[in-house]
Amino acid sequence: AQSVTQPDIHITVSEGASLELRCNYSYGATPYLFWYVQSPGQGLQLLLKYFSGDTLVQGIKGFEAEFKRSQSSFNLRKPSVHWSDAAEYFCAVGLVGIKAAGNKLTFGGGTRVLVKP
Amino acid sequence: NAGVTQTPKFRVLKTGQSMTLLCAQDMNHEYMYWYRQDPGMGLRLIHYSVGEGTTAKGEVPDGYNVSRLKKQNFLLGLESAAPSQTSVYFCASSSPGLAGGNSYNEQFFGPGTRLTVL
Repeated sequence: AQSVTQPDIHITVSEGASLELRCNYSYGATPYLFWYVQSPGQGLQLLLKYFSGDTLVQGIKGFEAEFKRSQSSFNLRKPSVHWSDAAEYFCAVGLVGIKAAGNKLTFGGGTRVLVKP
Repeated sequence: NAGVTQTPKFRVLKTGQSMTLLCAQDMNHEYMYWYRQDPGMGLRLIHYSVGEGTTAKGEVPDGYNVSRLKKQNFLLGLESAAPSQTSVYFCASSSPGLAGGNSYNEQFFGPGTRLTVL
């Protein structure tokens, strides 16, 4: 069965500094890969997704992620964080090529980002 | 266009009580999902539906039942609530990908329901 690991439970970063969130997956093939963000008290919002092609993916709010097949990783980055980026971030994977899968996702445990002024 | 809405937003139950959580979407999506979110465990899929009248089990279905009588609604039921079901519940919906199953469309999430079982 597929699994997703986000090794960092909490990350604290200063406003204006760069941010990198780690995501590793375990799956027999290259899955579909997603990053979602959850602001306090809110539902999840899609930041970006990777299906194929260019391994560097641009998303909303200035985020980008890089897929590295050799490392089974899909790390999320932002060059300069804003106070509004304080949230919880979830990496997720979707299975490939199974029509009846219903677009199901498997989520990692999440990384909570705190932004210091 | 409200997207995905969930009712209620908060609920406190006593052990053994029953309740139903309602999810509604106005995007004409075929697929709908119920997740629970617990600290450090991310979101775990409880049940999902790939169309009106169909439901299927997800990762953690025990203690829950679901129904999809109308395309726009997906109900999650707890017949006899237990403290282990204290959680935040999220509903989501999406549309099917391209024919052949080799694509994924975004899941849109509701705001969540915070349930406490005493």
